[in-house]
Amino acid sequence: QVQLQESGPGLVKPSETLSLTCDVSGYSISSGYYLGWIRQPPGKGLEWIGTIYHKGNTYYNPSLKSRVTISIDTSKSQISLNLSSVTAADTAIYYCARTGVLRYFDWLLVVGAHDAFDIWGQGTMVTVSS
Amino acid sequence: DTQLTQSPSFLSASVGDRVTITCRASQDIRSYLAWYQQKPGKVPKLLIYSASTLQSGVPSRFSGSGSGTEFTLTISSLQPEDFATYYCQQLNRQSLFGGGTRVEIK
Repeated sequence: QVQLQESGPGLVKPSETLSLTCDVSGYSISSGYYLGWIRQPPGKGLEWIGTIYHKGNTYYNPSLKSRVTISIDTSKSQISLNLSSVTAADTAIYYCARTGVLRYFDWLLVVGAHDAFDIWGQGTMVTVSS
Repeated sequence: DTQLTQSPSFLSASVGDRVTITCRASQDIRSYLAWYQQKPGKVPKLLIYSASTLQSGVPSRFSGSGSGTEFTLTISSLQPEDFATYYCQQLNRQSLFGGGTRVEIK
């Protein structure tokens, strides 16, 4: 079955760059599903960070856009998240998730609508602290 | 940018109650809305997408309705396993989650 597994440092210093990867298994990452990153600060709600199509097109939360880079490596079946200049406000569980609809073209680019995330990784806690 | 307001933020209900949660968008998002359930310490679970389409495997007591700017998630008869936090997510142009509704046992 489809599985997503996030990994990366659990502790990052302020002003540094948070880097996470999401390993994908159970389906071809080169097929037409979107993958995304969502985070959740302790005791708070969900925040969408960004989404990537398998061809590399990326879509970011405007509030984070200046600090976020999401990339895909199809040879490794993984996506990555880099969030620069982190502060304590970036402390959160970071989830990787996949959408549920197979798209044969970049639906988000053409139609302007996202698909919902139907498969989620277990999440990885990242704390920003010196 | 579209704002998303979910209400109530907290509700207390009994097993068997009919529960309704509302999500309002500040502009027309057509039917581009999803609902998720999250239990403490667990991963969010997709319940409904396209405002009213039940995700496979989700019990039929869950239903979604609405389009444009006002949407509702209804649980027809609350079960013990339904006590959780529920989030709406708008999917038009920019993805955005609502603030969440925590459903607790009365």
